[in-house]
This record gives sequence, structure tokens and C-alpha cells, in this order.
Amino acid sequence: DVKVTQSSRYLVKRTGEKVFLECVQDMDHENMFWYRQDPGLGLRLIYFSYDVKMKEKGDIPEGYSVSREKKERFSLILESASTNQTSMYLCASSGGLGFVGGYTFGSGTRLTVV
Amino acid sequence: AQTVTQSQPEMSVQEAETVTLSCTYDTSESDYYLFWYKQPPSRQMILVIRQEAYKQQNATENRFSVNFQKAAKSFSLKISDSQLGDAAMYFCAYSPQGAQKLVFGQGTRLTINP
Repeated sequence: DVKVTQSSRYLVKRTGEKVFLECVQDMDHENMFWYRQDPGLGLRLIYFSYDVKMKEKGDIPEGYSVSREKKERFSLILESASTNQTSMYLCASSGGLGFVGGYTFGSGTRLTVV
Repeated sequence: AQTVTQSQPEMSVQEAETVTLSCTYDTSESDYYLFWYKQPPSRQMILVIRQEAYKQQNATENRFSVNFQKAAKSFSLKISDSQLGDAAMYFCAYSPQGAQKLVFGQGTRLTINP
């Protein structure tokens, strides 16, 4: 069964900490995405990557960065966590250009910044 | 910018009845894709149904069907014979052809009453 695996289901961090959210997919997908999910706002795109070492900003990249050193792994980094980054974070992947089968999602990481 | 709007934050239906979830979108593109995703309490996002804009025929997947009105930019999801397992958050999403990014709506929480 194909999978997108997020390293943590729940995470509690302190304000100012550097936080790493990890995502691994086993489908050899080219595209990977990080979204945050907030009530009433749906899913908003933070960053995405079309290939190894490539990254592009989404709609809300401020306060975040990403890393994709290997095709299967896409990391979201909160350089200095703040309370307004408390949210659910969802990673997703999809096939290459022209693939329209939709995303495969991870199960999400609920991050609380205190 | 493309936007997706789900105007019903919550819906409820009696088991075995039919319910329709609404979605409208705004785009200047002529070729695109529309999706409905389901997010149960497990948080795992599941693709329910997909519609290609160039297809006039409405997509159907078992008890799930869509009413796609391209001119009105409307894409509603109909769930027939509702089951307890259909209880979830439902997200409408849009993707222009050739792009891999998905734009999501705010979500509709569906409750099934036994």
C-alpha cells in the first residue's frame, strides 16, 4: 500500500524553537507539498517541490522553509516557532507533470507552540 | 487568483438519506480539474471523486456523484444512501491543467445521524 508518512502525529514545541516536520513518500512521486489546515480556512499551501533540491513558495511561506535533498523526503522547517504557527500540518505527494490523479496525503502533524 | 468557496461549514443528514455539499470556484482558466476529498477523524485525506473540466458528463463513484456546472463555476457533491462512515470533513479542491498545486475550499463538516 502506497504511503506518505509524517514523522510525528502530535508535537509540542516552545516559542523560538527550531522545528522540523518530516515527510517521506514511497511512491517515487516527483511532487511534494506542505499545507497547513486551520478551522474555517481549509488547507493553505506553504511550500511545494517539483524535484529534488527544488522548492517554490506557496501562498503562506512566511516563517517557514523547506528542504528536499532526496526525492522521497520533504522537510518543513519552522526557523523560530511562534504561537500563530500552532496548526495541523499536512504533507502530500503526486506524480509528475501531467499526472492528475490527485494527491496522496500523510496523516498530519498537529503542532502546538507554547 | 483562483479561489474555492464552500459556503456550508456544517451539514447533517439522516442515515440512508441523500445530502448535497456545495462548492463554487473562481478561475479564468478553461481547462482544469476539480476534486472532492474526505477527511475522517483519522485525519487521512481520501480522494472521493475527480472531474475534468473538459468532460460534460458528471463524475460518479458508487454512492458519490457530482453536479458540475462549468458556466456557473459550481461543483457540488451528492452522497446517496448516507452511511455512518461518511461522517467527515469534506474539502472541494481545484487544480488548473498542467499545474500540480491544489487550491482547497474551507471544508464542510458532515454529520450522519443514525
